[in-house]
Amino acid sequence: GAVVSQHPSWVICKSGTSVKIECRSLDFQATTMFWYRQFPKQSLMLMATSNEGSKATYEQGVEKDKFLINHASLTLSTLTVTSAHPEDSSFYICSALRSGRYTDTQYFGPGTRLTVL
Amino acid sequence: KQEVTQIPAALSVPEGENLVLNCSFTDSAIYNLQWFRQDPGKGLTSLLLIQSSQREQTSGRLNASLDKSSGRSTLYIAASQPGDSATYLCAVRVGQTSGSRLTFGEGTQLTVNP
Repeated sequence: GAVVSQHPSWVICKSGTSVKIECRSLDFQATTMFWYRQFPKQSLMLMATSNEGSKATYEQGVEKDKFLINHASLTLSTLTVTSAHPEDSSFYICSALRSGRYTDTQYFGPGTRLTVL
Repeated sequence: KQEVTQIPAALSVPEGENLVLNCSFTDSAIYNLQWFRQDPGKGLTSLLLIQSSQREQTSGRLNASLDKSSGRSTLYIAASQPGDSATYLCAVRVGQTSGSRLTFGEGTQLTVNP
């Protein structure tokens, strides 16, 4: 089946630094990728939809200048958390949309645990 | 705005028991509904996907039903095993395409005791 990877799987950083998370579709091309965040004991909340070659579409309440998304190729999207603060600590999950003959299927990455000290 | 609710929030059962997880959604105009499994600290594994025109899907010991008009879905797990312990998430896809957004419920945390 289709595989989506994320790197790193976990990261600890100091407050004020920036952190980049990579999302790759390993065996298919993905025009569209999604970024979610998940707080403990809560569900996934969509942050933004990333389209290759164009600007990402952010959900209401998500700061585009704080969460920079770049989808420069059909197999890679990156999320950069700029000037991270402790409240940004969360589990970030990406997802890639694989186009099929009859329907599209969304595959999820394993997630990245961000801890901001 | 689509809202997805899952009941119960947590469930603990002895091994071998059959169980039902419930999911409800407020807007019946969905494209499809999907059930996922999430292990602690991990990503999501898709279990079953039901298109809006379908009533149910089955995979092994899992059976998911969909009643779009009433905004409900159930995930039935037969003969539960300790390895089934995980959080189960229900998600509905709104819009008119298979690439439109997913809205997730908050999940049911299942523990199957040996």
